[in-house]
Amino acid sequence: LAKTTQPISMDSYEGQEVNITCSHNNIATNDYITWYQQFPSQGPRFIIQGYKTKVTNEVASLFIPADRKSSTLSLPRVSLSDTAVYYCLVAYSSASKIIFGSGTRLSIRP
Amino acid sequence: GAVVSQHPSRVICKSGTSVKIECRSLDFQATTMFWYRQFPKKSLMLMATSNEGSKATYEQGVEKDKFLINHASLTLSTLTVTSAHPEDSSFYICSARAGQPNEKLFFGSGTQLSVL
Repeated sequence: LAKTTQPISMDSYEGQEVNITCSHNNIATNDYITWYQQFPSQGPRFIIQGYKTKVTNEVASLFIPADRKSSTLSLPRVSLSDTAVYYCLVAYSSASKIIFGSGTRLSIRP
Repeated sequence: GAVVSQHPSRVICKSGTSVKIECRSLDFQATTMFWYRQFPKKSLMLMATSNEGSKATYEQGVEKDKFLINHASLTLSTLTVTSAHPEDSSFYICSARAGQPNEKLFFGSGTQLSVL
């Protein structure tokens, strides 16, 4: 299982772009990288998933370098409602275990 | 995205009683479901992996007789906390794997269990 490392916490301000990086040095060839968002007392919510290069959807972008040993979640123009914990998961599609790392607690200020 | 329904969202029970938590995949078939436990301001801890029609696989340190998992159909998995004690109070979250080829995980809304 690939171990992930993220900053424990980050602070930013409304309207800024926020980039959260996750390290996964022992990522395997078949592993995908998926990011989730969790608000207090709720289950995690899928944000974005990628395998390599760049993926963009309506809420975020995911940048993955060629060696795939890290990935960066980019949130454009954050708002107060983006205050949450963000988790990076690395696993292959039919993995029998999905292990969460510590996550990054993002706080957005006015 | 796919919807995973988890009930109840909150339960308060007396010590010694058993509590059942249901996890349903509403618009897809989930051959695999995962059960997690989460303490305040901590990450999710995997408790067990539930496969339809077979016994669940428990993580080290999780008592299988204490946390009974049943995955009898492709859309329903249940977690029963037997003879609950105050130390079992926690936030329990289920997750189901859906779709091909990337098989994303979708999560229930969680169940806050409080044992008095």
